[in-house]
Amino acid sequence: KAGVTQTPRYLIKTRGQQVTLSCSPISGHRSVSWYQQTPGQGLQFLFEYFSETQRNKGNFPGRFSGRQFSNSRSEMNVSTLELGDSALYLCASSAGGVGTQYFGPGTRLTVL
Amino acid sequence: GQQLNQSPQSMFIQEGEDVSMNCTSSSIFNTWLWYKQDPGEGPVLLIALYKAGELTSNGRLTAQFGITRKDSFLNISASIPSDVGIYFCAGQLTNNNDMRFGAGTRLTVKP
Repeated sequence: KAGVTQTPRYLIKTRGQQVTLSCSPISGHRSVSWYQQTPGQGLQFLFEYFSETQRNKGNFPGRFSGRQFSNSRSEMNVSTLELGDSALYLCASSAGGVGTQYFGPGTRLTVL
Repeated sequence: GQQLNQSPQSMFIQEGEDVSMNCTSSSIFNTWLWYKQDPGEGPVLLIALYKAGELTSNGRLTAQFGITRKDSFLNISASIPSDVGIYFCAGQLTNNNDMRFGAGTRLTVKP
């Protein structure tokens, strides 16, 4: 089975812009979770989607949003980018319900 | 939210030595997971633990799910240079797919 894929792998944006990141889960997995990883804060949970519905949400501002499509692919959007949004954004998929999560390689976002 | 306390923060060991790291929390977790992350890559799952008291091995790696469901440890035996990386523990809250992560243990192995 192919693993979790994320596109793009690297992205450079400027403050105030918006960005959309994409995640394709492992085939058959219906849950997709998004995480932000920074050296200072470590891995922090953003949100989880299951069957096209947001099921869990972390403690991030409304500028961070996501969605999931009927094929379980998910996108994450960040509007009005700030310098502090520079991070590695990881998505992880699991089969559904509560299950072991498998991570993608991440998208490295740099905000200038 | 509930955070995991992972220790040690870093370890410098000689090739061939055994390594032990652990995670504790004030919260009860449904599942404990151990991941390894190489620079610029996503975490790779090493071991998943689903039952209190469970002891699971994966090659030279052994991990245990604490009886109280509030802690877990990971042991690496006979370390080799490719064990270098950052090891994360993660706990899944009961009936919730929200995972909490430890801050990581950075392992350096000297040949």
